[in-house]
Amino acid sequence: ILNVEQSPQSLHVQEGDSTNFTCSFPSSNFYALHWYRWETAKSPEALFVMTLNGDEKKKGRISATLNTKEGYSYLYIKGSQPEDSATYLCALRSPTGGGNKLTFGTGTQLKVEL
Amino acid sequence: EAGVVQSPRYKIIEKKQPVAFWCNPISGHNTLYWYLQNLGQGPELLIRYENEEAVDDSQLPKDRFSAERLKGVDSTLKIQPAELGDSAVYLCASSYGTRDEQFFGPGTRLTVL
Repeated sequence: ILNVEQSPQSLHVQEGDSTNFTCSFPSSNFYALHWYRWETAKSPEALFVMTLNGDEKKKGRISATLNTKEGYSYLYIKGSQPEDSATYLCALRSPTGGGNKLTFGTGTQLKVEL
Repeated sequence: EAGVVQSPRYKIIEKKQPVAFWCNPISGHNTLYWYLQNLGQGPELLIRYENEEAVDDSQLPKDRFSAERLKGVDSTLKIQPAELGDSAVYLCASSYGTRDEQFFGPGTRLTVL
């Protein structure tokens, strides 16, 4: 059983603060690392797919980095806004299950307050 | 382009009752997934279909859960009878092929009283 861990479990920040969360995973079982944003009552939305060690990806104020050798990824949000409030999930895509099995972490619940 | 459609969005039932969830994947997507998300946990795969064939159902509790995708398009997940512990969000996802990105529906939130 793969163990994908996310921290912190929840986070409350003020509007304008920058924040970051961590996703850690076993480095020996790796195809790709996915980040999703899941707002309440909506579909999980794909943010990034990361495959190469040292990958850095950016989408507006959100960016992510990947270290496959030590088995972690960071997600950064610069200048948090209330609309960033959501649960951020990471998922490890591993060789099992035909190469498309996603093992999710438990998520980081972000609340951005005015 | 329409995304993955799920219905109902919310369902409240009493224990021992049956319940069914429906999913229509993105047009042209051959692979369909059902996930279970318990409160405070990440989604966990219940079953994966390649067209109409269930290729990974190892995590599906077969005593009370069943699923079908008869024509290789939309799918139904059923629980009979429901138990209190089945209260969760049931997510459907689809992808073009086995190794392609998965797109998720909004989920069905089930409450069993």
